[in-house]
Amino acid sequence: EIVLTQSPGTLSLSPGERATLSCRASQSVSSSYLAWYQQKPGQAPRLLIYGASSRATGIPDRFSGSGSGTDFTLTISRLEPEDFAVYYCQQGGTFGGGTKVEIK
Amino acid sequence: EVQLLESGGGLVQPGGSLRLSCAASGFTFSSYAMSWVRQAPGKGLEWVSAISGSGGSTYYADSVKGRFTISRDNSKNTLYLQMNSLRAEDTAVYYCAKAPLPGGNPLMGFDYWGQGTLVTVSS
Repeated sequence: EIVLTQSPGTLSLSPGERATLSCRASQSVSSSYLAWYQQKPGQAPRLLIYGASSRATGIPDRFSGSGSGTDFTLTISRLEPEDFAVYYCQQGGTFGGGTKVEIK
Repeated sequence: EVQLLESGGGLVQPGGSLRLSCAASGFTFSSYAMSWVRQAPGKGLEWVSAISGSGGSTYYADSVKGRFTISRDNSKNTLYLQMNSLRAEDTAVYYCAKAPLPGGNPLMGFDYWGQGTLVTVSS
């Protein structure tokens, strides 16, 4: 069973700063099935990235995904106020534990 | 516009049963795999079950295998989750979610989600 470990658990940053979120798999996984989601309180998750690096429809280009094998990264180039949320990675039937991006 | 609307959640006693529904619109329902994903209060996301577009293939998380059954009625554009032998740890918001590509792997991501329906298992 694949385990996805997200780090850090919480990221405290200011608007305009760059956010780098990590997702590490317990074994090598297919990039085709690596996705990232954003979730705000009381809302359903929103797909940001699929196939490790492809942005979903309507997602701003400040969001980018990269990685392969066991190490994947979600980068938000310049944080906007609406980007403060929890982010999850997913590979197949497994989700990571999430990274909360909070305002510093 | 793609819309997914879950219903059927509520309070149920341990050992009881519940059937969730997800009414879909805005896309060719039968062409897309669908999944159920749940989120316990204050916790992260957990994939529960998936079904191919035709309904011929189904997949389950180990935590629900043998207790939950996923199905779909493509003539009604509706996805279902029959939940039996419910336990306290099944308490969660249950989301239905759509796969991003027609005919694609049901677990390559979920591009649209419903608003969720809350299932509470308690005596």
